[in-house]
Amino acid sequence: DIVMTQSPDSLAVSLGERATINCKSSQNLLYTSNNKNYLSWYRQKPGQPPKLLIYWASNRESGVPDRFSGSGSGTDFTLTISSLQAEDVAVYYCQQYYSFPSTFGQGTKLEIK
Amino acid sequence: QVELVESGGGVVQPGRSLRLSCAASGFTFSSYAMHWVRQAPGKGLEWVALISNNGNSLLYGDSVKGRFTISRDNSKNTVDLQMNSLRTEDTAVYYCVRDMSWGGSGWPMDYWGQGTLVTVSS
Repeated sequence: DIVMTQSPDSLAVSLGERATINCKSSQNLLYTSNNKNYLSWYRQKPGQPPKLLIYWASNRESGVPDRFSGSGSGTDFTLTISSLQAEDVAVYYCQQYYSFPSTFGQGTKLEIK
Repeated sequence: QVELVESGGGVVQPGRSLRLSCAASGFTFSSYAMHWVRQAPGKGLEWVALISNNGNSLLYGDSVKGRFTISRDNSKNTVDLQMNSLRTEDTAVYYCVRDMSWGGSGWPMDYWGQGTLVTVSS
């Protein structure tokens, strides 16, 4: 199985500042025939299901604010929140769908400093 | 709008069975693969099972293989998860999740239901 490792486990950022979460996969997630990275990012607020933010590593889901962006390729990926808002307090997960079983990172808890 | 509503959760003893159901609306259900993903209390996310749009392709996580069965009824817009021989480690919130494609292999998941809690305890 592909192992997804996120860093850091928790993060405290001031309102309006940038937040960066990293995700590293144990295997390459780039499918060269279509040049797509098979990676998604989710945000899970307390008591709610996960919500898709980013797919194919850098495609923002419809309705997601443009302060969220995804980058990276191969085995190293990053989710960036350019200007942290209070409603962004949540746990963030990366997920690979390159091969079954699909696997998730352990989560990164984002808080306000 | 896309809506997924899970039901059937509850408290069950180890070794017993439980059947979860997910009712879908707001999209052409028969065009999409569907997943079940679970989350143990205070823990991360674990993919459980996948069914393709026509039900011909089924995949399971190793921890549930041979015990859980995923199925769907495209005439009723429902996807079920039959859980047999339940163990305490199956305790989790179970989410019904839509795939972006018909086959489910190598595509992102997009919409999640609110989840239903299954507690396996004596």
